[in-house]
Amino acid sequence: EDQVTQSPEALRLQEGESSSLNCSYTVSGLRGLFWYRQDPGKGPEFLFTLYSAGEEKEKERLKATLTKKESFLHITAPKPEDSATYLCAVQASGGSNYKLTFGKGTLLTVNP
Amino acid sequence: ETGVTQTPRHLVMGMTNKKSLKCEQHLGHNAMYWYKQSAKKPLELMFVYSLEERVENNSVPSRFSPECPNSSHLFLHLHTLQPEDSALYLCASSQESWAGGYTFGSGTRLTVV
Repeated sequence: EDQVTQSPEALRLQEGESSSLNCSYTVSGLRGLFWYRQDPGKGPEFLFTLYSAGEEKEKERLKATLTKKESFLHITAPKPEDSATYLCAVQASGGSNYKLTFGKGTLLTVNP
Repeated sequence: ETGVTQTPRHLVMGMTNKKSLKCEQHLGHNAMYWYKQSAKKPLELMFVYSLEERVENNSVPSRFSPECPNSSHLFLHLHTLQPEDSALYLCASSQESWAGGYTFGSGTRLTVV
C-alpha cells in the first residue's frame, strides 16, 4: 500500500529564516510526486509535480527536490504570506494510477 | 467563472436529512473527484469520474451517492449521515484521470448534527 509521511507536523519560522519540509514515501512505482499548498478554509492549490529522482522545480521562494525515497520543499527567506499547510501526494504507476495518496501535511507559520 | 466551484460552502444537516453538494468546473477537464478531509487525517479519495464514468468507489458507505451528469458537473448526494461524516468535502478536476495536478474547489464544510 502506498504511504506518505510528512515532517514536521508543524513548523514556526521567523521571516527570512530558511528551512525545509520533508515528504517520505513508499510506492510500488512512482508516476509522480505532487506538492500542494492549502490556506485555511480553502482547497489545496497545486504547486509542483516531480517525476524522477534528481528532478528539481522552483517557484518564487519555493524549491522542490526528489530522491527515490523522499522529497523536500525548501523555503528560502520566507515571508508571512507563505504561512499555509503544505501537502505532499504520490501517484503510483500502473493499476489504480488515477489515485493520489496524500500525507497529513505540514503547517507552516512564518512570523514577521 | 473559471476554476472549480463548489456549493454550498457550509452545510449543517440532521442525520435524517437529504442534501446534495454541487461541483462545477470550467476548465475543460475530463476527470473529476470527490475527496474527504477530516482534521488530523490525510485527504481521502471517495469517488473518481473519468469522462462521466465512475472508475473508483473507494469503499465509501452507500449513504454517499455521487452523480456526474456531464464532464463539467459533479454532485454528491447525502442521506442518513452520521456525526463522524462531518468534514470538509473537496471536489477536484484534472485533464485526465492519470494527471495528478488537480485543481481543487474551496470545499463544502459539512456538519452533521
